[in-house]
Amino acid sequence: NAGVTQTPKFQVLKTGQSMTLQCAQDMNHEYMSWYRQDPGMGLRLIHYSVGAGITDQGEVPNGYNVSRSTTEDFPLRLLSAAPSQTSVYFCASRRQGTSYEQYFGPGTRLTVT
Amino acid sequence: DQQVKQNSPSLSVQEGRISILNCDYTNSMFDYFLWYKKYPAEGPTFLISISSIKDKNEDGRFTVFLNKSAKHLSLHIVPSQPGDSAVYFCAATSMEYGNKLVFGAGTILRVKS
Repeated sequence: NAGVTQTPKFQVLKTGQSMTLQCAQDMNHEYMSWYRQDPGMGLRLIHYSVGAGITDQGEVPNGYNVSRSTTEDFPLRLLSAAPSQTSVYFCASRRQGTSYEQYFGPGTRLTVT
Repeated sequence: DQQVKQNSPSLSVQEGRISILNCDYTNSMFDYFLWYKKYPAEGPTFLISISSIKDKNEDGRFTVFLNKSAKHLSLHIVPSQPGDSAVYFCAATSMEYGNKLVFGAGTILRVKS
């Protein structure tokens, strides 16, 4: 049981480039979410999904796209990277309807130059 | 405007003494609160939670206290150990808020041996 996995661990992009951050979970959790962590800001919700085919925006969705074609995978796409998107990105999952406790992946550190 | 605030960016405590981490919230809809612990280069891990129907929840060395009238919660760690050195995030949510977690900015705890 690997839990929540994220790839890559580190990434450097140039302004304007696009990329996809991968997230997968093997716990059959319905709910998955993406957060970004910035100094002094805590973790802020970017997008979330309550099940395959259903996604919604969080607090800071601009510049990011998501899709959920399977229960296991929840990729985050940066459409045109900007220096303001330099951050550490965490994916998380939990079972719907039981508790609010989320399980987090190890994170992806992204730098946009 | 931050709905969950951790006003102390850092806290330093001697090994064996009590660590008290504080968290304030502004949204009266929140009725469930969680504490997460984060080591460098890892994802946050769930520590302890409390529902608004309780004012205290204990798990080993960790106790969370909730004061609903003051919209304040605190995490007590007794006794503190060097391995407790980490960033601690407070989070809040409710069904009315769509079960989304709102995080504070975090407090860095250093336990000196």
